[in-house]
Amino acid sequence: DAGVIQSPRHEVTEMGQEVTLRCKPISGHNSLFWYRQTMMRGLELLIYFNNNVPIDDSGMPEDRFSAKMPNASFSTLKIQPSEPRDSAVYFCASSLRGPSTDTQYFGPGTRLTVL
Amino acid sequence: QKEVEQNSGPLSVPEGAIASLNCTYSDRGSQSFFWYRQYSGKSPELIMFIYSNGDKEDGRFTAQLNKASQYVSLLIRDSQPSDSATYLCAVNEERTGGFKTIFGAGTRLFVKA
Repeated sequence: DAGVIQSPRHEVTEMGQEVTLRCKPISGHNSLFWYRQTMMRGLELLIYFNNNVPIDDSGMPEDRFSAKMPNASFSTLKIQPSEPRDSAVYFCASSLRGPSTDTQYFGPGTRLTVL
Repeated sequence: QKEVEQNSGPLSVPEGAIASLNCTYSDRGSQSFFWYRQYSGKSPELIMFIYSNGDKEDGRFTAQLNKASQYVSLLIRDSQPSDSATYLCAVNEERTGGFKTIFGAGTRLFVKA
């Protein structure tokens, strides 16, 4: 199994530009999670999907952030416009049934730098 | 008060010793608890999960849960330099319509050879 796949692995962009992060969950997993990790705030859950439906997006910091899951094998996290404070490592994770009891498997992350 | 609290460390132990990592949580309704390990520059990976009060052992790792005290811990026996990493405690809190995973800030562990 390839595990959770994220792209790009590194992204450097200028303030004001649109950024799109991509994730392919493990095949057969029904839940997908987007996290952001910074030194100051640690690992924060942004949003999670169950069966492609957003269940909890209370962690999305503001309207500049949006996430979609058009099918079971693909999700995107978009930041528009990006700001320097969005610089962080963004992780995607998936689990078989959901967060209540299941292990979450993390992708390698996308390191985003906004200049 | 943070929802999930951990001592940030660093916690330094000699090789072969027992490392004890602690975590407290605020939501009394939480039902499932996880310990993840994260090496520098890598993604978190699950070490153990625990749902019931008491101890759960897996090799050199033991997770301990006390729901009355809202406390969960991880013991690493015979610590090895390869155990040096940040250990994240995670708690699933029930929300309307589902659950939300809350991570602690992590404890950095150094095992000295």
